[in-house]
Amino acid sequence: NAGVMQNPRHLVRRRGQEARLRCSPMKGHSHVYWYRQLPEEGLKFMVYLQKENIIDESGMPKERFSAEFPKEGPSILRIQQVVRGDSAAYFCASSPTGGPGTGELFFGEGSRLTVL
Amino acid sequence: SQQGEEDPQALSIQEGENATMNCSYKTSINNLQWYRQNSGRGLVHLILIRSNEREKHSGRLRVTLDTSKKSSSLLITASRAADTASYFCATQGGADGLTFGKGTHLIIQP
Repeated sequence: NAGVMQNPRHLVRRRGQEARLRCSPMKGHSHVYWYRQLPEEGLKFMVYLQKENIIDESGMPKERFSAEFPKEGPSILRIQQVVRGDSAAYFCASSPTGGPGTGELFFGEGSRLTVL
Repeated sequence: SQQGEEDPQALSIQEGENATMNCSYKTSINNLQWYRQNSGRGLVHLILIRSNEREKHSGRLRVTLDTSKKSSSLLITASRAADTASYFCATQGGADGLTFGKGTHLIIQP
């Protein structure tokens, strides 16, 4: 049973370009979470999605960032017109259940974005 | 803002010694979880303790939870070099998802 798969593992973009990060949750998991981690920092919540629905995007910047989790295919975190401050590791996690009873989250290895 | 705050920020001990990390949080929780992150890798779940539990064990790990003080501790006994990593506490409250602290960086010296 494959774990949470994220790609690419490393992505380099120039300022103003777009970055697309993909996440395939564990088999049987329909709840996906995206987190951002700056060097030497903890993880900051960005967005929580279920299939075809955004449940909570309170941690997502209002501009340039968007996320989706379509009926078919991986979840995608999209960052438009990247700036140097977007450089970070972006982690995806999945769980079989969501909401207040959420237990363990299963994390991918992360996608490390570097903006030149 | 961060819900959990780990203490200390960094800890260096000799192999074989016990390591204790603390976590404080601010609001009511459903459960509290501890995760480990090796350098450059994703997070790995270690243990979950529910708000109605006071202590939990898993192998060399012992977690305590004091909801009256809004604090938790993670004890790793008989530490090994492979335990070198960052350790994060995460709280699960009424909202969805987990809220993570900044972590404790643990170094086990051989």
